Amino acid sequence: GQNIDQPTEMTATEGAIVQINCTYQTSGFNGLFWYQQHAGEAPTFLSYNVLDGLEEKGRFSSFLSRSKGYSYLLLKELQMKDSASYLCAVKDSNYQLIWGAGTKLIIKP
Amino acid sequence: GAVVSQHPSWVICKSGTSVKIECRSLDFQATTMFWYRQFPKQSLMLMATSNEGSKATYEQGVEKDKFLINHASLTLSTLTVTSAHPEDSSFYICSAGDGTSDYNEQFFGPGTRLTVL
Repeated sequence: GQNIDQPTEMTATEGAIVQINCTYQTSGFNGLFWYQQHAGEAPTFLSYNVLDGLEEKGRFSSFLSRSKGYSYLLLKELQMKDSASYLCAVKDSNYQLIWGAGTKLIIKP
Repeated sequence: GAVVSQHPSWVICKSGTSVKIECRSLDFQATTMFWYRQFPKQSLMLMATSNEGSKATYEQGVEKDKFLINHASLTLSTLTVTSAHPEDSSFYICSAGDGTSDYNEQFFGPGTRLTVL
């Protein structure tokens, strides 16, 4: 079966750095997405990786290793508004998005 | 980026009634839209893929006669929850891609929170 694993919840301090990991086993791979979802709202796009390596976009970076079935989202200089759930999603061989359960990130002052 | 709207943003209805949710792509044409359901503290669950001018493709376990999808135009898809029951209470989210990005990014609507009493 297809499976995406991410930690259920993480806590970090304002101004610090946090890394959210995602491992996947899917039938084929056509890219990995990270989305941010605030409570009661729809997800918003953060990043996309299809080749191995690090993609940097401001305070957020995303890394992919296809051979390991592994990705992480790195958030720097954390702000209180970064408190949200972070969803990892993989596009499989049928170009269907398979979603992880999300990681709830709690930022403390 | 592309904008997707949903209406209504929330709805409360009595058990046994039907509820229609609209999803619109405001500044682009979407041949395909996706309908998701999300229960509290759970991930997004794809319900169906809505194709303009043809029948929707439903995921396994989703009752097509209960969740009616109509993709009437390139900018509008509707989801009708028929004979709603309390267990249908959930957060319903649609998404669409404009097909212009290499990775076919999905743009999400703001979601509709359905509560069935």
